[in-house]
Amino acid sequence: GQNIDQPTEMTATEGAIVQINCTYQTSGFNGLFWYQQHAGEAPTFLSYNVLDGLEEKGRFSSFLSRSKGYSYLLLKELQMKDSASYLCAVMDSNYQLIWGAGTKLIIKP
Amino acid sequence: IAGITQAPTSQILAAGRRMTLRCTQDMRHNAMYWYRQDLGLGLRLIHYSNTAGTTGKGEVPDGYSVSRANTDDFPLTLASAVPSQTSVYFCASSSGDSNYGYTFGSGTRLTVV
Repeated sequence: GQNIDQPTEMTATEGAIVQINCTYQTSGFNGLFWYQQHAGEAPTFLSYNVLDGLEEKGRFSSFLSRSKGYSYLLLKELQMKDSASYLCAVMDSNYQLIWGAGTKLIIKP
Repeated sequence: IAGITQAPTSQILAAGRRMTLRCTQDMRHNAMYWYRQDLGLGLRLIHYSNTAGTTGKGEVPDGYSVSRANTDDFPLTLASAVPSQTSVYFCASSSGDSNYGYTFGSGTRLTVV
């Protein structure tokens, strides 16, 4: 079956760095996505990785290792507004997105 | 403002009633999707449409139907609502360019009582 695993909840301190991990087992792979979802709002696109390595976008970076079925989202210089759920999703061989349950990130002052 | 509009924002519905959730996009995206989001389960695909005139079943299609008469509109119908359909429903669209991912509507919170 298809499976995406990510921690349910993480806590970090304002100004610090946090890494959210995602492991996946899917039928085929056509890329991995990270989305941010604030409580009561829609998910918004953060990043897309299809090749191994690190993609950097400002304070956010996303890493992919296809051989290990592994990705992480790295958030630097954490701000209170980064408190949200972070969703990992993999596009399978049918070009459908398979979603993880999300990681709720709590930022403390 | 370009994007996806969903209606209604929220609804309380009696079990057994019929309900259509509306979704309209103005980005001329070919692909559209309906998801439900439940605590601890993540987003689950109900139905999708890769282009106007075609639809397909997702992971949890039972009890739901869709149509795609044109590019912009993708309504989701619950023929006879049941309490297990209480959820937050998101409509999404995609241009097919993975660098931009999916664009989501603001969601419909549905409670079936």
